[in-house]
Amino acid sequence: NAGVTQTPKFRVLKTGQSMTLLCAQDMNHEYMYWYRQDPGMGLRLIHYSVGEGTTAKGEVPDGYNVSRLKKQNFLLGLESAAPSQTSVYFCASRELGDEQFFGPGTRLTVL
Amino acid sequence: AQSVSQHNHHVILSEAASLELGCNYSYGGTVNLFWYVQYPGQHLQLLLKYFSGDPLVKGIKGFEAEFIKSKFSFNLRKPSVQWSDTAEYFCAVTASGGSYIPTFGRGTSLIVHP
Repeated sequence: NAGVTQTPKFRVLKTGQSMTLLCAQDMNHEYMYWYRQDPGMGLRLIHYSVGEGTTAKGEVPDGYNVSRLKKQNFLLGLESAAPSQTSVYFCASRELGDEQFFGPGTRLTVL
Repeated sequence: AQSVSQHNHHVILSEAASLELGCNYSYGGTVNLFWYVQYPGQHLQLLLKYFSGDPLVKGIKGFEAEFIKSKFSFNLRKPSVQWSDTAEYFCAVTASGGSYIPTFGRGTSLIVHP
């Protein structure tokens, strides 16, 4: 089992560029999450999904979009990147009530 | 709404010292409780979890936590820390039986000097 994987691991964007972060899990989990982690801010939830075809906003959704077309994949999109979106992005998955399994993270820098 | 408070933001210890990290939550119902650890440059991993039963939970690497329902607390402990315990520690809570969104504390940065 690979668990939760994220692609890419690192990325540098210029302001205004777009990109998509891919999260994949092979544990057949229903619930998937995208977080950003910034120094001193802990984890902040961007969007989450409670099943294939569903998405919902988290704490800091502005500037991001998501899609869950397949149960195992959860995509995070930045349509027009801004320097404020420089962060480390973590994907996680779980079954209801149980622990979360986190991916290795994507370090994004927006210049 | 749930909230989680981790009172210690930064802790610095010498090897062999004892550790206790505080975690308090606010929620009126039954909860599931978690401690995660994030080693430098890595992702979060589960240290231990409590769902029900014995309120003293043992996790990996010698860590344990005690759930005190009356105090809404789930403090993490280790009798003797090692340099390799240097990491960020996060407490998290979910409402039992139906919450989609775990609530995380802000995290505690632990530095252990050799």
